[in-house]
Amino acid sequence: AQSVTQLDSQVPVFEEAPVELRCNYSSSVSVYLFWYVQYPNQGLQLLLKYLSGSTLVKGINGFEAEFNKSQTSFHLRKPSVHISDTAEYFCAVSITGTASKLTFGTGTRLQVTL
Amino acid sequence: DTEVTQTPKHLVMGMTNKKSLKCEQHMGHRAMYWYKQKAKKPPELMFVYSYEKLSINESVPSRFSPECPNSSLLNLHLHALQPEDSALYLCASSLTVLPNSGNTIYFGEGSWLTVV
Repeated sequence: AQSVTQLDSQVPVFEEAPVELRCNYSSSVSVYLFWYVQYPNQGLQLLLKYLSGSTLVKGINGFEAEFNKSQTSFHLRKPSVHISDTAEYFCAVSITGTASKLTFGTGTRLQVTL
Repeated sequence: DTEVTQTPKHLVMGMTNKKSLKCEQHMGHRAMYWYKQKAKKPPELMFVYSYEKLSINESVPSRFSPECPNSSLLNLHLHALQPEDSALYLCASSLTVLPNSGNTIYFGEGSWLTVV
């Protein structure tokens, strides 16, 4: 079975600073990788996804992530954060070739302050 | 229009009540999902419907009963729930259940359920 680890439960950062949210996965087969964002009291919104091809994936709101197969990582980055980026960020994985069954990490709370 | 609409947004019910959560999408998606999310936890898959047929039930207690009346609608019928069932219930949809390159899972904003 696959699993996702988000080691940082909270990441505080000042506005306009860069940020990296870490995600590592474990799977014996090929996977698809996703980052979702959840703003307070809202549902989940897809930020970006890696299915195949280029390992650097660009998403919405200026976020990008890099798939590293050797390190089994899919870290999310943004060069300059804004107050409005304050939210919960979930990394998720699904196994290729099967039903779209997402397994989520435990989430990272990004707190942006002035 | 990439929208999944859920009603009601908030629901408070007693342990003997029968209520339903509703979900609707008009994106032509043929896969629909129910997830449960407890506070400060990730979403957990409950059910998957593919072409209006139940394809995955993640060992969910029978007090939760899903229904897919047509390709645009998904219901979750609730009966004899327990206080520990209080959570955010998220509906989602995707083109199909196959995770191919065109298949993104879109989530609704959720229904907050409180069982008293």
